[in-house]
Amino acid sequence: EAAVTQSPRSKVAVTGGKVTLSCHQTNNHDYMYWYRQDTGHGLRLIHYSYVADSTEKGDIPDGYKASRPSQENFSLILELASLSQTAVYFCASSDREDQDTQYFGPGTRLLVL
Amino acid sequence: GDSVTQTEGQVTVSESKSLIINCTYSATSIAYPNLFWYVRYPGEGLQLLLKVITAGQKGSSRGFEATYNKETTSFHLQKASVQESDSAVYYCALSDRRSGYNKLTFGKGTVLLVSP
Repeated sequence: EAAVTQSPRSKVAVTGGKVTLSCHQTNNHDYMYWYRQDTGHGLRLIHYSYVADSTEKGDIPDGYKASRPSQENFSLILELASLSQTAVYFCASSDREDQDTQYFGPGTRLLVL
Repeated sequence: GDSVTQTEGQVTVSESKSLIINCTYSATSIAYPNLFWYVRYPGEGLQLLLKVITAGQKGSSRGFEATYNKETTSFHLQKASVQESDSAVYYCALSDRRSGYNKLTFGKGTVLLVSP
């Protein structure tokens, strides 16, 4: 059974609209992450969290907000979606003691029109 | 900043043939980063394939091997005999300890297609 799940798996959004991507993990991990991947690029970190009710900025946080209401759930919010946010988004989790070993969800393909 | 460069695009290999996917890295803030290969099978999330934290050491998993070469700053992935089930996207990565978390820097990914 998949330990990191994401919803939706794909989404079409309109420019200027609000988009929420959800992630749920059953690994009992402290750390959770949101990455994006664009064609021809590696994964880039948007936000991460190491405890519920707290989030931290990654390398490319502009245009995104994150929410960690519980240890299991981590959401990525695009308040005003833009064309440049079309990408595949991956959620991941890791244990505090082994942060390098991250467990990823299957990804959400977002198309902003 | 840190960067990882790996074999671009798609690699097609016939079943039972050998494979090498090249990976070189540049770490600006740490002399000897931890190095990884992650793999993404169709429809699934990335998963750790192998990890090496000591320069000069070799990691292996599922028939794949990679050696941490600090002289050439490389971490090439090799397999002697690939199978169709190895078809996936492979990502080379390094980690750098930052304040609060271990930052993973990924390469762009290499698509491996194994033909029967």
